[in-house]
Amino acid sequence: DQQVKQNSPSLSVQEGRISILNCDYTNSMFDYFLWYKKYPAEGPTFLISISSIKDKNEDGRFTVFLNKSAKHLSLHIVPSQPGDSAVYFCAASAHNYGQNFVFGPGTRLSVLP
Amino acid sequence: GAGVSQSPSNKVTEKGKDVELRCDPISGHTALYWYRQSLGQGLEFLIYFQGNSAPDKSGLPSDRFSAERTGGSVSTLTIQRTQQEDSAVYLCASSQDQNSYEQYFGPGTRLTVT
Repeated sequence: DQQVKQNSPSLSVQEGRISILNCDYTNSMFDYFLWYKKYPAEGPTFLISISSIKDKNEDGRFTVFLNKSAKHLSLHIVPSQPGDSAVYFCAASAHNYGQNFVFGPGTRLSVLP
Repeated sequence: GAGVSQSPSNKVTEKGKDVELRCDPISGHTALYWYRQSLGQGLEFLIYFQGNSAPDKSGLPSDRFSAERTGGSVSTLTIQRTQQEDSAVYLCASSQDQNSYEQYFGPGTRLTVT
């Protein structure tokens, strides 16, 4: 049973518009969430994170929103740029699980010029 | 500074052979992780090393998989008697310590078992 779900395997957005990537989780013990970006033939790179004590974290064009009651988080990219085209992974962790991170299957974002 | 490096970048092996995959973490990082990504799947946690503590091996899929971390730095993931379902990209990541959530990933090793 997948504990972290990214139900959209792919997403296409026009350059300059907003990209919204969604992630749902089932384990209420998760208290820290991260987003990673992955280009082909490279390892994932850390993008942004959020702790469960917050409901929003912003870093430049990237904002992550957390809705604990819905067990849902989303990554907003505004404005989207062609260089943002990559696979985005959502990951979750729980303090009492040590450092065992659970990753979602990823969403492939294509930003069209 | 140098990031996480992995070798080889690609490995093709015959079913039943043993393979060794190597990871060099970022210098000074005490935490090291191994993941694998099968085609169309997310990252699957395999094993976690933190300093001199006993590793968390809870993600290893079978006893054919083992990993070592020598001197708290370089790590080797060994797969014995490889099977076709072992074909995947094996990713290594390191983080500064057990309190740091940010992991820095290497480029991965693509393993193909024929």
